[in-house]
Amino acid sequence: DGGITQSPKYLFRKEGQNVTLSCEQNLNHDAMYWYRQDPGQGLRLIYYSQIVNDFQKGDIAEGYSVSREKKESFPLTVTSAQKNPTAFYLCASQRQVSQSGYTFGSGTRLTVV
Amino acid sequence: AQSVTQLDSQVPVFEEAPVELRCNYSSSVSVYLFWYVQYPNQGLQLLLKYLSGSTLVKGINGFEAEFNKSQTSFHLRKPSVHISDTAEYFCAVTPMNRDDKIIFGKGTRLHILP
Repeated sequence: DGGITQSPKYLFRKEGQNVTLSCEQNLNHDAMYWYRQDPGQGLRLIYYSQIVNDFQKGDIAEGYSVSREKKESFPLTVTSAQKNPTAFYLCASQRQVSQSGYTFGSGTRLTVV
Repeated sequence: AQSVTQLDSQVPVFEEAPVELRCNYSSSVSVYLFWYVQYPNQGLQLLLKYLSGSTLVKGINGFEAEFNKSQTSFHLRKPSVHISDTAEYFCAVTPMNRDDKIIFGKGTRLHILP
């Protein structure tokens, strides 16, 4: 079955370390998105990519970086510059037509220890 | 630009009672509308969507929503809730016929009381 796979499901990071969250999709979707979710704050867009080798900053890009070298993959790196990285991170993808809506992965919960 | 307002952050309801989760949107262009559900520690799953045509849209798990253009609303309803409906529900909007991002509301947490 096609879908989006996020790994790992739980991730622990020491302060000052960079960490990379994986997002892979086999839906042949063009666009991919990263969101951060904190209690009571809904979904906040970090980065998005509508085509391979191109990506744009979302509303809260500071302290994060991404790459889009392959259509299937959109990894997110949480750098040491992100001051409060503990959160639930969601990856999503979409066919390049807005009426299809997003397909979401199951999320990665990152905790700084 | 588009925006979405979910008027209630939390809604408690007794099991087998009806429920309505409210959603209003703002947009200068025509839009597609979506409702997503998120169970604890999971991703979001599409419940239903309005693209065009009939204003009453039926989705999965017995949910339905009604598009009201004059009131710019897209309220979600279920005639009888079950304990398994405990989740967070997100209303979302995107401009019609344009490749643009989906804008999400802040979510409504549905608590089912026994």
